[in-house]
Amino acid sequence: QQQVKQSPQSLIVQKGGISIINCAYENTAFDYFPWYQQFPGKGPALLIAIRPDVSEKKEGRFTISFNKSAKQFSLHIMDSQPGDSATYFCAATDSWGKLQFGAGTQVVVTP
Amino acid sequence: NAGVTQTPKFQVLKTGQSMTLQCAQDMNHNSMYWYRQDPGMGLRLIYYSASEGTTDKGEVPNGYNVSRLNKREFSLRLESAAPSQTSVYFCASSAGTATNEKLFFGSGTQLSVL
Repeated sequence: QQQVKQSPQSLIVQKGGISIINCAYENTAFDYFPWYQQFPGKGPALLIAIRPDVSEKKEGRFTISFNKSAKQFSLHIMDSQPGDSATYFCAATDSWGKLQFGAGTQVVVTP
Repeated sequence: NAGVTQTPKFQVLKTGQSMTLQCAQDMNHNSMYWYRQDPGMGLRLIYYSASEGTTDKGEVPNGYNVSRLNKREFSLRLESAAPSQTSVYFCASSAGTATNEKLFFGSGTQLSVL
């Protein structure tokens, strides 16, 4: 079974709105939490990442919020744009460098 | 600036046929990976090679073999394809295996097994 649970499966947001994707994990050995973005026909590409000693990380319109006690983390896309339409994967890495991916969220931003 | 190159991009096989997926990277990375992507399952690790000369099983290795031919190339072989192996396959590479390593992915191979 998947060690990183991601929701929702898909979401539709209007241009300018906020997209929120949530992930949860159980394994306390995870110590690095990246998000990958994938456009149709392409491979995933690293978008942003966070360590558990930080509660929030922001890069441009993308923000990761991290709640260590709840073992949850989320991606917020502010001022969503049509070019943000993609599939987003949360992931977690353990101390051996093994990366576990969530199931993915397809985001559609309507004009 | 090729990065990670995978061939072929598309392939259709009949059950029982064999084939090899090729992957090459030009970033002088030590580590290489093969993932499969299925709807609702995310990406699952099939095999990886932490460094030239080593390979290890990932989460879903059954039915696959790999060869790390040299530092640049990492191939994935299906000896007897099954419909359950219909998937999109991604090769990736990273500089090393540290916790915060960035993975660089190829564009994928869409494989259908009939």
